[in-house]
Amino acid sequence: RKEVEQDPGPFNVPEGATVAFNCTYSNSASQSFFWYRQDCRKEPKLLMSVYSSGNEDGRFTAQLNRASQYISLLIRDSKLSDSATYLCVVNPDTDKLIFGTGTRLQVFP
Amino acid sequence: DVKVTQSSRYLVKRTGEKVFLECVQDMDHENMFWYRQDPGLGLRLIYFSYDVKMKEKGDIPEGYSVSREKKERFSLILESASTNQTSMYLCASSSTSGGETQYFGPGTRLLVL
Repeated sequence: RKEVEQDPGPFNVPEGATVAFNCTYSNSASQSFFWYRQDCRKEPKLLMSVYSSGNEDGRFTAQLNRASQYISLLIRDSKLSDSATYLCVVNPDTDKLIFGTGTRLQVFP
Repeated sequence: DVKVTQSSRYLVKRTGEKVFLECVQDMDHENMFWYRQDPGLGLRLIYFSYDVKMKEKGDIPEGYSVSREKKERFSLILESASTNQTSMYLCASSSTSGGETQYFGPGTRLLVL
């Protein structure tokens, strides 16, 4: 079983739609969780950290469910510029980050 | 603004050549990382370093070595390039005091013929 698993997509949604991605992780001792965004042919960039209580940044909401070992990212009112690959990232209580393979989002007009 | 730069965006080498990929960060970060990214496999950690002259193997170190002689510079070396090392190589850095956020360079697309 992969340490971090994501649905690769693509998720094709119209502008203005709400879309949600889930990610599961295998190591129950994992301490920190993140979502990174990667545009086509560009480097990954931190989108947001994921806190136990859940957190929101504008149109983006991240949630953590430790009991079920999954993380979610909700994007409301999708924009064309949200089209990218979203990487789920976990720190399994080591000094390294484990990256999921990413979920591709395509927002169309 | 954190800046991580990589020496080349695109590189074409022949099988058996020695290849050097350079990464430089300007934020005085202690930690530096080399990943490769392949379709369907995501980012895989090759090597990382917590300090000058220190290095640790990641998940796929075979066929690679690294050098960190100065804090700001982390080099990835392919001793004898092979076609299965054709990939996108990404360097990242992070601060020990700044949490685990990693800042990535723009990547080097390496093609080994």
